[in-house]
Amino acid sequence: GEKVEQHESTLSVREGDSAVINCTYTDTASSYFPWYKQEAGKSLHFVIDIRSNVDRKQSQRLIVLLDKKAKRFSLHITATQPEDSAIYFCAASRGSNNRIFFGDGTQLVVKP
Amino acid sequence: DPKIIQKPKYLVAVTGSEKILICEQYLGHNAMYWYRQSAKKPLEFMFSYSYQKLMDNQTASSRFQPQSSKKNHLDLQITALKPDDSATYFCASSPRDWGVEQYFGPGTRLTVL
Repeated sequence: GEKVEQHESTLSVREGDSAVINCTYTDTASSYFPWYKQEAGKSLHFVIDIRSNVDRKQSQRLIVLLDKKAKRFSLHITATQPEDSAIYFCAASRGSNNRIFFGDGTQLVVKP
Repeated sequence: DPKIIQKPKYLVAVTGSEKILICEQYLGHNAMYWYRQSAKKPLEFMFSYSYQKLMDNQTASSRFQPQSSKKNHLDLQITALKPDDSATYFCASSPRDWGVEQYFGPGTRLTVL
């Protein structure tokens, strides 16, 4: 089955800098690559995803890149703010009615 | 107000007993899911339901049985509990009958002694 690896278990950046979280996957049939965020004391929720038909997607300060050849995708958070501090989970799925496989999570700390 | 309610928050059970984990969502979503997170392991998919029908089951053991009495309810019954069942169980929901845009409840932390 699919295995999603999240390379950074923790990441610390200064407020205003960019943060990059990298993930790799193993299943070439995976076509959906979502990201989830869990703030302290709150539940996990979806933030953005990218599908395999594109290699870049942006939503405000979040940019997701996908390199299908390398089976790698990443989340870039630009101009980080304290409220970006959270655990971020990357995931992969083959799509419709297929299960989602999660990475272990990256704890992002944005320091003032 | 919490939109996905899971009860109880913490649960301690003895080996061999049976417990029911409750999940209710008030997001108006059509699909609901159960996930498990064991110590030092990633979140692991268990079940998905759409319009109260089972769509996918990735749980090998029949000791885990989801129960959907209403569209916005998806409880998880676990029988003959084992210490290995100790984990945090998360319920989630999504607007469509399947989607990665999922929203999770706070989880029920189960400890089996």
